[in-house]
Amino acid sequence: DQQVKQNSPSLSVQEGRISILNCDYTNSMFDYFLWYKKYPAEGPTFLISISSIKDKNEDGRFTVFLNKSAKHLSLHIVPSQPGDSAVYFCAAKASGSRLTFGEGTQLTVNP
Amino acid sequence: GAGVSQSPSNKVTEKGKDVELRCDPISGHTALYWYRQSLGQGLEFLIYFQGNSAPDKSGLPSDRFSAERTGGSVSTLTIQRTQQEDSAVYLCASSSPRSNQPQHFGDGTRLSIL
Repeated sequence: DQQVKQNSPSLSVQEGRISILNCDYTNSMFDYFLWYKKYPAEGPTFLISISSIKDKNEDGRFTVFLNKSAKHLSLHIVPSQPGDSAVYFCAAKASGSRLTFGEGTQLTVNP
Repeated sequence: GAGVSQSPSNKVTEKGKDVELRCDPISGHTALYWYRQSLGQGLEFLIYFQGNSAPDKSGLPSDRFSAERTGGSVSTLTIQRTQQEDSAVYLCASSSPRSNQPQHFGDGTRLSIL
């Protein structure tokens, strides 16, 4: 049972434009959500998080939106840069439980 | 600043051999996780240690896989009688005991079974 799903395995965006990465979840007990970025041959790096009491969290070019009624979160990157090209994983957890990861989306930002 | 450290970074071994992978978590992190990522796949949870509690082993794919965490710090993941399908990147992560803290990952061990 895949509780966290990233339905787009890949996304290609032009430099300077907005990248929107999507993630859906099924477990209504999830109350903390994160995005990680992974470059080849490196471990995932924490990017940004949001708790269920908020619907938006912003950090520089990165904004995470949470829609609890739709059980959907998204990561917006604007403006996108070639260095943002990586695999992005969303993850979610309920209080006292471990993180559950999505399958990842490969973002390619073209110069 | 010490992050999560994993060794070796690469391991090539013959089918049927046993391997041990090591993880040094960030100091003070009581939670430690092992994942693996096969080629083209997402992160597959293997095992989770939290303080002195019994580990959550629900992700281990077979009884050939085991893990220990000694003294609440360093962890070793052991794979016995390796098979070719064990080839993957094995990732370790640790997190702070405070609630809602992100996991921090090491760079992984790339395991290749010939």
